[in-house]
Amino acid sequence: EVQLVESGGDLVQPGGSLRLSCAASGFSFSTTWMHWVRQAPGKGLVWVSCISTDGRITNYEDSVKGRFTISRDNAENTLYLQMSSLRVEDTAMYYCAGPSATVPEAFVIWGQGTTVTVSS
Amino acid sequence: QSALTQPRSVSGSPGQSVTISCTGTSRDVGTYNYVSWYQQHPGKAPKLIIYDVTQRPSGVPDRFSGSKSGFTASLTISGLQAEDEADYYCYSFAGSFTWFFGGGTKVTVL
Repeated sequence: EVQLVESGGDLVQPGGSLRLSCAASGFSFSTTWMHWVRQAPGKGLVWVSCISTDGRITNYEDSVKGRFTISRDNAENTLYLQMSSLRVEDTAMYYCAGPSATVPEAFVIWGQGTTVTVSS
Repeated sequence: QSALTQPRSVSGSPGQSVTISCTGTSRDVGTYNYVSWYQQHPGKAPKLIIYDVTQRPSGVPDRFSGSKSGFTASLTISGLQAEDEADYYCYSFAGSFTWFFGGGTKVTVL
């Protein structure tokens, strides 16, 4: 079964750090570009970051540049999002998502999400 | 960076058709045929319903269809059903390893 399982979400104070993980199974993780998408409470989806298959290419949405770092461990089939200098506005459900071999330019696979709350 | 523009809400009666627009720019929708659409029910993860502007993944009912003209992509739901009530998001590649979602449209079945 194709599956993505996020973990690591928590309540953290403004200025704090957190690392999210996304465990992949059931598909060829090492040959799949991966992404993080977030959704603030009651708001829409926002693309956050992407990473190439070998981790050499990454990109970020403007508001998280310099604060978030995406990475991956292909040996462990795991995607990460290191979040630092967290702000109240980073409060959201964070999803990892990815394409499939036959649909390379859309999010076929989604995790169930992990909740990050930034509050004092 | 800016999100693609969608109407906040649309509504229709069962059996009717509704169309959701997604307006971008020459940097995204106007240039690339990599527009996809997602359906999201409350408390659930999004689900892909259209990719590459017009393509439907297996298992998605054929009452869902996509199109594009210029800078605007559209999702049409024909023969609206109660279970189609959800939020819908468009999504486009914008070059340089950047992607944008639309702001989302709430579909209400009257």
